[in-house]
Amino acid sequence: KQEVTQIPAALSVPEGENLVLNCSFTDSAIYNLQWFRQDPGKGLTSLLLIQSSQREQTSGRLNASLDKSSGRSTLYIAASQPGDSATYLCAPAGGYGNKLVFGAGTILRVKS
Amino acid sequence: GAVVSQHPSRVICKSGTSVKIECRSLDFQATTMFWYRQFPKQSLMLMATSNEGSKATYEQGVEKDKFLINHASLTLSTLTVTSAHPEDSSFYICSADPSRDYGYTFGSGTRLTVV
Repeated sequence: KQEVTQIPAALSVPEGENLVLNCSFTDSAIYNLQWFRQDPGKGLTSLLLIQSSQREQTSGRLNASLDKSSGRSTLYIAASQPGDSATYLCAPAGGYGNKLVFGAGTILRVKS
Repeated sequence: GAVVSQHPSRVICKSGTSVKIECRSLDFQATTMFWYRQFPKQSLMLMATSNEGSKATYEQGVEKDKFLINHASLTLSTLTVTSAHPEDSSFYICSADPSRDYGYTFGSGTRLTVV
């Protein structure tokens, strides 16, 4: 059974800092991995999708890396802004039905 | 593209009544949709997989008679919480996978409060 761990559980930083959010998963037989953002009381917004054959994906100030063999993914946020404050969720997809399994998330607060 | 629309966003119902939540794929066909539940300050837990034209597949521990799922067309899946109780109060959210190259897209969620 896939288990996903995200570290740190919470993070509070001043505006402008570069951040690293970590995700580890126990079953490396994944099809892809997605990073999402969730604002309080809202749905999920997909940030980046990394296929299992890829090592990284970039979108604007966001960069996600994937080391499938070691069961790790990292989300880098450059030059953080208060608008980046949200919960960030990592979810590898795999197994029968290619289902997503979620970590508990990292709660990010960027202070202005 | 790849938008999933979920309604209602909030609903308050009395204990013992039933509530229906709709999830529609607006610009793609979804043969499969997924229903999740999220308790405050917790992550998303998969409840069931909704399959167009066939029975839903429920995760272990989820009562299929309580959480009725219907996937009547390629663009609509519904979740009905039957005989709701206060402990069913939660955030329910659906998702679909337009293609394996696109990744999963999620609805905006439904906050259910049972009083």
